[in-house]
Amino acid sequence: DAKTTQPPSMDCAEGRAANLPCNHSTISGNEYVYWYRQIHSQGPQYIIHGLKNNETNEMASLIITEDRKSSTLILPHATLRDTAVYYCIVRVDNAGNMLTFGGGTRLMVKP
Amino acid sequence: ETGVTQSPTHLIKTRGQQVTLRCSSQSGHNTVSWYQQALGQGPQFIFQYYREEENGRGNFPPRFSGLQFPNYSSELNVNALELDDSALYLCAIHIHETGLSYEQYFGPGTRLTVT
Repeated sequence: DAKTTQPPSMDCAEGRAANLPCNHSTISGNEYVYWYRQIHSQGPQYIIHGLKNNETNEMASLIITEDRKSSTLILPHATLRDTAVYYCIVRVDNAGNMLTFGGGTRLMVKP
Repeated sequence: ETGVTQSPTHLIKTRGQQVTLRCSSQSGHNTVSWYQQALGQGPQFIFQYYREEENGRGNFPPRFSGLQFPNYSSELNVNALELDDSALYLCAIHIHETGLSYEQYFGPGTRLTVT
C-alpha cells in the first residue's frame, strides 16, 4: 500500500469547514483513498473513500486531485464532536483487508 | 454504533502471563481483523481471519494467535506477555467479497496493561 503524509495536527473553529490534506504521491492506479477517524477512547470509524472522482456522503466530502497524488477531506460544518484523529489510507480495494494506518492528523475543533 | 463489542474493556496482566481478548458482533460478516494500537500511534495490523482461517498476518510473532468461530465471535490470544504488549487492541469486522469494497467496522477496543 502507498505511503501517506498528513500534518500531525490542525485546529478548526466550530461551525467552519475543516479541510484535512493528505499527500499520497506514490499511489497506484488501482489504489483507493480511504479516510477513517478515531475519537478518543473509541475504535476507528469509516468516513468515506474514493478512487478518482470526488465523493460526498452525510459525513464529509472527499476531493481527489486529477493526478491523484493528494486529496482533501472536508467536514463542511465542524462541531466539537468532530475532534478526533483523522487517518488517510490508500490501499487496493479488494486484495486483503489490512489497513495501514499512519500517524494521522489530530483535529481540534474549538468553540 | 457499530454493533461490534469487545471484552473486557480493560485488563491488567503480569509479564509472562497469557491473555485472551474477545470480539463479537451481529451476524452478516465473514472476516475479522485484529489491530494493536500503542499509545500515540496508529493501529497496527496483527492478523485477519476469513471464514475461520487465518488469512493474512502483520509483523507480529507467533505468540499472537487467534480464532474465529461460526457464531461470528473471535478471540485474540497472546502468550508470554511482554511490557511492550501494553496497548489498545481493536477488532474490526467486514464482509470480504472479491471485487467489492466494504468498510470495516471497529469495536471500542480492549486496553491491556502489562506490568
